[in-house]
Amino acid sequence: GESVGLHLPTLSVQEGDNSIINCAYSNSASDYFIWYKQESGKGPQFIIDIRSNMDKRQGQRVTVLLNKTVKHLSLQIAATQPGDSAVYFCAAKLPSGTYKYIFGTGTRLKVLA
Amino acid sequence: NAGVTQTPKFRILKIGQSMTLQCTQDMNHNYMYWYRQDPGMGLKLIYYSVGAGITDKGEVPNGYNVSRSTTEDFPLRLELAAPSQTSVYFCASRPSGHNNNSPLHFGNGTRLTVT
Repeated sequence: GESVGLHLPTLSVQEGDNSIINCAYSNSASDYFIWYKQESGKGPQFIIDIRSNMDKRQGQRVTVLLNKTVKHLSLQIAATQPGDSAVYFCAAKLPSGTYKYIFGTGTRLKVLA
Repeated sequence: NAGVTQTPKFRILKIGQSMTLQCTQDMNHNYMYWYRQDPGMGLKLIYYSVGAGITDKGEVPNGYNVSRSTTEDFPLRLELAAPSQTSVYFCASRPSGHNNNSPLHFGNGTRLTVT
């Protein structure tokens, strides 16, 4: 079946450094991708999304890169801050149906002071 | 806008009891979803709805029921609670259109323990 997986369960970075969180998806028909941030005791919070007809999209301090050839997605956070500490996970949507979002398990980002 | 609101935040049930998890959204979104989140696992879809009066099963619907009488509300019913239903439950919504490419907006979850 379809799957979405992250490469590292935990990532520790120094405050001020850049963070890169990676995600792989299995179904090449996926046409839309989303990154979420989840803080302890809260629901997932939308960060940034990208459609399959794009390779890169930038937001405020965040960039998502999509490599459809190897079915890989990454989230880059610039100048990581303590408030960025959370679990990050990606989701991939299949083009058919109205509900088929496949969620990854998440990478916990720890920001070291 | 309050977004997606879930109640209660926490609940402990005994095996065999029943309860309803409430979810309401004030964004006039047509699509609503119920997910469960277990440790080390990605979100699993329980039920979803594309509009008032329409519901359908997701990946893990057994032991749950839903209804969608209004656009705003999408309650999840647990009948005969079992320990396997111990989890964190998230309700989400999104607008229709956008070629179905729009992010889900999540509530803050209900943490349920069945003992």
